[in-house]
This record gives sequence, C-alpha cells and structure tokens, in this order.
Amino acid sequence: QQPVQSPQAVILREGEDAVINCSSSKALYSVHWYRQKHGEAPVFLMILLKGGEQKGHEKISASFNEKKQQSSLYLTASQLSYSGTYFCGTEDPGTYKYIFGTGTRLKVLA
Amino acid sequence: NAGVTQTPKFQVLKTGQSMTLQCAQDMNHEYMSWYRQDPGMGLRLIHYSVGAGITDQGEVPNGYNVSRSTTEDFPLRLLSAAPSQTSVYFCASSYGVGSNQPQHFGDGTRLSIL
Repeated sequence: QQPVQSPQAVILREGEDAVINCSSSKALYSVHWYRQKHGEAPVFLMILLKGGEQKGHEKISASFNEKKQQSSLYLTASQLSYSGTYFCGTEDPGTYKYIFGTGTRLKVLA
Repeated sequence: NAGVTQTPKFQVLKTGQSMTLQCAQDMNHEYMSWYRQDPGMGLRLIHYSVGAGITDQGEVPNGYNVSRSTTEDFPLRLLSAAPSQTSVYFCASSYGVGSNQPQHFGDGTRLSIL
C-alpha cells in the first residue's frame, strides 16, 4: 500500500512556506523525496536515513520520524521554481519493491 | 553520461497490438523498475528486477511482461494493448534497494492506446 501524502494540493504565493507530509501504515526505514515538474521525470531531492534526522536542499528541508512512520518536507520562502508534484519514496518492508507516496501538487504564484 | 535511456518517447497503438518499451542504463545499476503514471496520479510499480536474470511483479503487473538478460537493459512488453494502458511509463534504476539508494529516472514513454 502506498504511503499517503497530505495535502493533495497546495497553492502558495512566492515567499510563503509549506509543509508536505508522508505517512505510512508500515514501518519506514528510510524516506526519499522527489520533485516532478510538469511533463518531466521525477528528480531526487534528498534522503532521510535516521529517525528525527533533517536534511536540506536549497531552502527545502525534511524530517523523518521512524516511530510515527512519517516524514515531512518543509519548503521555506517558496520560489516559482518550486512548483511541481512532490513524492515521497521508500522501500516496501520485507520486499525489494520501491514505492512512492500518493503525491502532492504544489503551485507557487508570483 | 547518458544515465537511463527510454525509447520510444511517444507511441500510439491500436487495441490488441503488442509492443516493447525499451530501457537501458549505463551506470552499472543492479536494480531496475518500471512505473506507470496516469494523468494527475502517482507512480505505480509494474515490475522490478534486482539483477540480471531476476524479475518480480510490482503492484500493477497484469498485461505486462519483463525480462532482464543483461545488467544494462530492462524492456517492458505489452502483450495485447488495451485503452486502460494509456499512460506515461517511467523506467528507473539504482545501485540497489538500500536505504541510501535514490532512483534515477528515464525521460518516460508517453503511450496512447486507441
């Protein structure tokens, strides 16, 4: 079963902040985040490997809570270039399957 | 450095036709996978492979076959195309399914079944 992301969609003005959540019904051992621009392939942003560890990419950071089986992506002072669909990705525990979350569409307006 | 290469980029088929989507990577990655992405939807795993000669089903495998005769290539075959298979297909690869291995994607194949 896919991890569930929330919100499904969000619209921001330039400079505003946003949080995207990824929750799994199964244990999470690591979480990856990707961004997909319209008409393009997903592009890797960052990996979260340890519980509570935060990583950063530009003004985008993320956290990972193993106990809660969830990860959050924080977009600070959003830019037009942040628009796209964000996916969390993870291994399905006990299998070799790599699966993605349901996705969050983000649109940043000038 | 080509990365993951998918061909063709676009294809239109008639219902019942068969075809093969090609995927090749030049990064010596052991793990390769195929996803489909329907409009406004997420990425659903069709088939995957952990190495040459080893393949397994993902979440939506019906109507598709794969093989992995070499480390570099992982073709996806549509046996008898149906309109429900209209989608964008992405091939991805990584060094292995491990906690620090991101997926590298090809540019996708946009497939329409009439």
